[in-house]
Amino acid sequence: GAGVSQTPSNKVTEKGKYVELRCDPISGHTALYWYRQSLGQGPEFLIYFQGTGAADDSGLPNDRFFAVRPEGSVSTLKIQRTERGDSAVYLCASSLGRTGNTIYFGEGSWLTVV
Amino acid sequence: DAKTTQPNSMESNEEEPVHLPCNHSTISGTDYIHWYRQLPSQGPEYVIHGLTSNVNNRMASLAIAEDRKSSTLILHRATLRDAAVYYCILRPVRGGFGNEKLTFGTGTRLTIIP
Repeated sequence: GAGVSQTPSNKVTEKGKYVELRCDPISGHTALYWYRQSLGQGPEFLIYFQGTGAADDSGLPNDRFFAVRPEGSVSTLKIQRTERGDSAVYLCASSLGRTGNTIYFGEGSWLTVV
Repeated sequence: DAKTTQPNSMESNEEEPVHLPCNHSTISGTDYIHWYRQLPSQGPEYVIHGLTSNVNNRMASLAIAEDRKSSTLILHRATLRDAAVYYCILRPVRGGFGNEKLTFGTGTRLTIIP
């Protein structure tokens, strides 16, 4: 379909390893969001892009987390030196980037750090 | 950001109406009231939103109190597919692109009884 696509859908990695999670937003959507969701909790905001630039990265928990969107479309969330506490579902979302536009979420990437 | 308060869980019988309450006593004049829901193993999906007047769409109705300090999401005839976590979110619109992040709480887990 033409929804938000996230890869991989599942990722198991060892503590200390580097991980990349990819998000393909809906075509034409200028706004892109990353969220993290732990079991039993609501999604937690990480970062928001408007075009290529990060308009709000206040939710990134520390400098091990970084996200890019070099061409204003696909985005990659990068996690360095993973820790067991990073285990969660990472959700990507996109919207048209105008006031009141609906935000559409992908199904998420399940990350498990062992 | 203004906060919302929702019951942790609710149950409803199939094919009956469901009223999901949300309190937002510190809402500001430019906060829209948004509802999203999250089905098991999926990302959140938009349900409905409003500012002051009651709103209807194909999925649900949104009833907003006159003082805007509370709102109710109404599912007119619940089906098993409506079993999900429902999030009530205040989304500020500050001008410009206005695509402020969504701040999720823990939501209401709705169980539908066959």
